[in-house]
Amino acid sequence: GAVVSQHPSRVICKSGTSVKIECRSLDFQATTMFWYRQFPKQSLMLMATSNEGSKATYEQGVEKDKFLINHASLTLSTLTVTSAHPEDSSFYICSAREGSGGTQYFGPGTRLLVL
Amino acid sequence: SQELEQSPQSLIVQEGKNLTINCTSSKTLYGLYWYKQKYGEGLIFLMMLQKGGEEKSHEKITAKLDEKKQQSSLHITASQPSHAGIYLCGADPSGTYKYIFGTGTRLKVLA
Repeated sequence: GAVVSQHPSRVICKSGTSVKIECRSLDFQATTMFWYRQFPKQSLMLMATSNEGSKATYEQGVEKDKFLINHASLTLSTLTVTSAHPEDSSFYICSAREGSGGTQYFGPGTRLLVL
Repeated sequence: SQELEQSPQSLIVQEGKNLTINCTSSKTLYGLYWYKQKYGEGLIFLMMLQKGGEEKSHEKITAKLDEKKQQSSLHITASQPSHAGIYLCGADPSGTYKYIFGTGTRLKVLA
């Protein structure tokens, strides 16, 4: 099946710093990528939809200035957590939609810990 | 808004036993996805169901969408420790590829 990678897999940073997470579709072009957040023992919550070459659309309650998304190419989307705080600590997962189909393929996730 | 509820929330079975996980939607489903997640990892796509009454199988895992398209079940036959993980059902309620997910079912298989 389609492969999606994320980098880094784990990051620890100090409060107030910014962290960038990359999501890549390795063997297909993804016009749409999605960013999710998952708290311990909870399900995934969609944060935003990233469209190649256009602005991301954010779900209600997600601060677009805090979670900057850039989808510069058909295989790469980045999520930057700006001025991170301890409450931003979470597991961030991206997914990519292949072609015109509805199935999303997920990356392995990035665990962010803000001290 | 549409919600997906899974049952049971957690399950511990002995290796070799069969088990069933249910996913119930508050509204009609127009596509139901099953994923498996290991702790701290991403989601692995298992299968997608679209038509009422549809049933799909992959190795020892079978999933079915009921005729009314408001419930899906995932059945594992002769479970193995490798089946352990969190099973999530997902749906695309608005047809915009924005998924919602169920609450998840944690499965542990004892060797």
